[in-house]
Amino acid sequence: AQSVTQLDSQVPVFEEAPVELRCNYSSSVSVYLFWYVQYPNQGLQLLLKYLSGSTLVKGINGFEAEFNKSQTSFHLRKPSVHISDTAEYFCAVSPGYSSASKIIFGSGTRLSIRP
Amino acid sequence: EAGVAQSPRYKIIEKRQSVAFWCNPISGHATLYWYQQILGQGPKLLIQFQNNGVVDDSQLPKDRFSAERLKGVDSTLKIQPAKLEDSAVYLCASSTRDRVEDTQYFGPGTRLTVL
Repeated sequence: AQSVTQLDSQVPVFEEAPVELRCNYSSSVSVYLFWYVQYPNQGLQLLLKYLSGSTLVKGINGFEAEFNKSQTSFHLRKPSVHISDTAEYFCAVSPGYSSASKIIFGSGTRLSIRP
Repeated sequence: EAGVAQSPRYKIIEKRQSVAFWCNPISGHATLYWYQQILGQGPKLLIQFQNNGVVDDSQLPKDRFSAERLKGVDSTLKIQPAKLEDSAVYLCASSTRDRVEDTQYFGPGTRLTVL
């Protein structure tokens, strides 16, 4: 079975500072990996996904993530955050042995941006 | 293109009462998902439909929860009777197909409070 651990429940950063949100996964098979964002009172929105190919994945809103198989990690980064990035971020995993769409979500990291 | 629609947005009920949530997916999306998101946790899949058939309902508490998608378009999730632990946000999502590479689009959710 697959699982996801988001190591930080909350991350406060100052505006225009860089940020890294950490995600580790556990799986005995290959995986697909995702980051979703949830703005206040809204549904989840896909930021980026790793299915295959380059381990550095670029997403929307200037975010990127790097798949590290040896460390079973998929950390999310942004070089300079804005107030509008205030949201909850979810890392998610799907088993790579199946083409079906089942996704398992982590518990989320709340990113708060200080002016 | 219209997004995933859900109603109501908020619902407060007493325990042992029944409640129903409605979801209208993006037009043309064959796959529909219901997730439960308890405060402080990531979304958990309750049930997945492919057109009007159930693909996965392994985590649906079938003694009290039921869901249907009779015409393969909109869907209803029902809880009867509700328990205190059912307090959560219920998210509906849809995708073009049941494929991991197809993005799941989420609705804004229904926040259920059981008193």
